Amino acid sequence: ILNVEQSPQSLHVQEGDSTNFTCSFPSSNFYALHWYRWETAKSPEALFVMTLNGDEKKKGRISATLNTKEGYSYLYIKGSQPEDSATYLCAYPSGGSYIPTFGRGTSLIVHP
Amino acid sequence: KAGVTQTPRYLIKTRGQQVTLSCSPISGHRSVSWYQQTPGQGLQFLFEYFSETQRNKGNFPGRFSGRQFSNSRSEMNVSTLELGDSALYLCASIRGDTFGSGTRLTVV
Repeated sequence: ILNVEQSPQSLHVQEGDSTNFTCSFPSSNFYALHWYRWETAKSPEALFVMTLNGDEKKKGRISATLNTKEGYSYLYIKGSQPEDSATYLCAYPSGGSYIPTFGRGTSLIVHP
Repeated sequence: KAGVTQTPRYLIKTRGQQVTLSCSPISGHRSVSWYQQTPGQGLQFLFEYFSETQRNKGNFPGRFSGRQFSNSRSEMNVSTLELGDSALYLCASIRGDTFGSGTRLTVV
C-alpha cells in the first residue's frame, strides 16, 4: 500500500492571502501525480497532471510544482478568494499499473 | 459535450441486498474508472475499464464487480451489501480526467 500524505489537513486563510500545501509520495517508480479540487456537493475537478521532475503548471491563480527525486509536489494559490474554498486532493498512480492512491486532502477555507 | 453521467444519484438499500450503479462516460471516451469515497478511508480506486475489459483493480473484495458495454457505459455491482459499503461512488472518464456527480449509497 503506497503512502500518499498531504499536509496540512486543513487551512483557514483570509481573502487575498497566498497559500500552499504539500503532497508527498514514494519517489521510486514515479509515473504521474494528479491534483484535484473538490468543492462541497460537487464532483472532483482535475487541476493538473504532473509527469516530469521540475514540472511547473499553472491555471489562473493556482500553480503546482513537482520534485520526483524527493517525492513531493506543492500546490500554490496566489491571492486566495472565497471561491477557492475546497478540498485539494492529490493522487499518485505508481508506475507499472494505473492504480491511483489518493491523499486525504487539504481542506482550504478562505474567509472573506 | 455531455459530461459523465451517473445514475441513480441516491440509493438506499438493506444489508444483504445487491446494487447496480451505472456510469456513462463522455461521448467517445472508452475508459471508465470507479472510486469509493467514505469518511473513514477517503477516496479509493475500485477499478478501471477500457474497451469492455477490466484494466486495473483496486484492493476491494470480490463482492465489488463491474463491467463495461460496447457503448462504453459501465456498471458497478456490489453484492451482499454491508453497512460499511455506504459511500459516495464516483466514476470518471479517462483515468480521472472528468468525474460524474456520483451515486450516494446508504445501506441500512
